[in-house]
Amino acid sequence: EPEVTQTPSHQVTQMGQEVILRCVPISNHLYFYWYRQILGQKVEFLVSFYNNEISEKSEIFDDQFSVERPDGSNFTLKIRSTKLEDSAMYFCASSAGSGLLGGYTFGSGTRLTVV
Amino acid sequence: AQSVTQLDSHVSVSEGTPVLLRCNYSSSYSPSLFWYVQHPNKGLQLLLKYTSAATLVKGINGFEAEFKKSETSFHLTKPSAHMSDAAEYFCVVTLSNNAGNMLTFGGGTRLMVKP
Repeated sequence: EPEVTQTPSHQVTQMGQEVILRCVPISNHLYFYWYRQILGQKVEFLVSFYNNEISEKSEIFDDQFSVERPDGSNFTLKIRSTKLEDSAMYFCASSAGSGLLGGYTFGSGTRLTVV
Repeated sequence: AQSVTQLDSHVSVSEGTPVLLRCNYSSSYSPSLFWYVQHPNKGLQLLLKYTSAATLVKGINGFEAEFKKSETSFHLTKPSAHMSDAAEYFCVVTLSNNAGNMLTFGGGTRLMVKP
């Protein structure tokens, strides 16, 4: 069964450093998403991406965050200057259509720890 | 606006007994509803989805859920729990007319299955 792959599974970074989280969506999917889950809190939407541009973003997704699809397979989330409160599990997801029909496939997540 | 409330943060059942995980939602429009499961160190796996077709939805691994508009509920059930069902379960809602198809997650219910 096709999978969404996220690397690394766990990343530790110092406050103020830039970090890039990587995702390889399912190859024929067109919509891509990032979600995050701070420990003990709900899973929260960050951003959706379609046709090489952001289609929707939440209030969390401020100027410190950016997404990119640098080639035909990777989808990345960059945090420019990490803060302690960015520590969370970050999930990448992709969907074939707009998600309602095909469903969303999630990766296993990257646990980001900012120290 | 949309929101999801999972009424129990933890549910404990004995193997072979029924499972009931409760979910209530609020949505301004006709919602689509999903249940996802997360096993330790794994991604979020789709169990089932409701997208305005049959109100009783059957999913994988013997799970099913019934959409009740009058009660704004989408409870997840299984007739007989198995040890492998122990995991975190998320009820998720999205708006049918939301172009970005942002998912809104409930807080999760941890299901424990006793031998």
